[in-house]
Parts: sequence; C-alpha cells; structure tokens
Amino acid sequence: EVQLMESGGGLIQSGGSLRLSCVGSGFTFSSHAISWVRQGPGKWLEWLAYISGTGKTEHYEDSVRGRFTISRDNSKNTLYLQMNSLRVEDTAVYFCARSPYRDGWFGDYWGQGALVTVSS
Amino acid sequence: IVMTQSPATLSVSPGERATLSCRASQSVGSNFAWYQQKPGQAPRLLIYDASIRATGIPARFSGSGSGTEFTLTISSLQSEDFAVYYCHQYNDWPRTFGHGTRVEI
Repeated sequence: EVQLMESGGGLIQSGGSLRLSCVGSGFTFSSHAISWVRQGPGKWLEWLAYISGTGKTEHYEDSVRGRFTISRDNSKNTLYLQMNSLRVEDTAVYFCARSPYRDGWFGDYWGQGALVTVSS
Repeated sequence: IVMTQSPATLSVSPGERATLSCRASQSVGSNFAWYQQKPGQAPRLLIYDASIRATGIPARFSGSGSGTEFTLTISSLQSEDFAVYYCHQYNDWPRTFGHGTRVEI
C-alpha cells in the first residue's frame, strides 16, 4: 500500500525556519517525482515545489522561490521542505503528493498533511 | 495558468446528477485532473488525463473536455460524494488548481 507521512510541522514565529519531512512507503521511492502542496485555513490547494525522482530537477512557485528548498534522500525514502523566512501567510497544512511518474507531476497519492502555523 | 471553477457551490439531492465545470486561461491539452477533498482529509485523485478514472474510483464519476474547458460529472450522487472538488492542470509550471466547487446536500 502506497503511504506518505509528513512530519515536522508546528508553531513558529514569523521570520523563523522549519523543515518538513515526508516519508514514503509501499513503492519505489526514487521512481516517482514528488511535490509539496499547501492549503491555507479555509482555502484552496496551492502547489509549492516539485522534485524529480532523481532529484536533479526542481521547480518552485514564485511566492516561495528563494525561501523554500525541496530536496530528497532516496536512500531514506524521504522528501524534505526547508522553509526559511517564514511569513504569517505561510500558515497552512502542507501535503506531500507523489506523481505516478519519475518526471512531471500530478498527485496520485497524498499524505495526510502537516500543520504549520506562523505567528507574528 | 488560471483555473476557474463553476459553480462555487452546487446543491444537489442524493441520486441526482451533478455537473462541475472548470476553465483554463490557456490550453492545457488533456493534462488535467480532478480531485475530491473531504473535511480534514487529503485530496483524493479522481480523474487524470481529463477522462481517465484513477484506481478504485467508481464509474459514476466521469471526466470530459480538452484544451480549456473541462467537466466532471457525477451521475447519481451518493452520500459519500458530498465534498469539495478541485480541478488541476499539469501542462505547465507552476502547477495550478481551481478554487474548488463545494457539492452540498
């Protein structure tokens, strides 16, 4: 069974840093690209960052480029999101979502999400 | 690419047909998906490549369209189908989602 599990969320002050992790199981981790997607309180889904299965290709949404960094350790079946210079508007549930492909992305399996709350 | 969903809210009775629409601001070909999300849960993939049902999705869900106009049809609404539905394009970066259609009783 394909599973993704996020961790590392919590309460952080504006300007601080946080690193989210996403552990995958039930599939060959390196064969699948993965993205981070967030959802603010009562809001819609917002794609943030993508990394290919090999880790060689990354893409970012403009509002997080330069502040957030996506990475993966295929030996540990783990995806990361390093979030720096956090803002109140970054408050959201953060999901990791797998692509069915090594390159390119839409989310066929999603984790349950990690809540990040940024206070002023 | 901006994804515009309509209506924002759809009120339907169980057993009725529901039709949800999504328009892309430019052509996305068939690189298009629909997701269902229930409160407190992760999104669930329903349809990809505009019309292919994902694994385990009941046949009452169907998707159609290409280019800029897409439709999700739920042929006979069941109680478990009341949720928010999001459209999504994966033709270009950044990936974008619509703002959702809430299907309510």
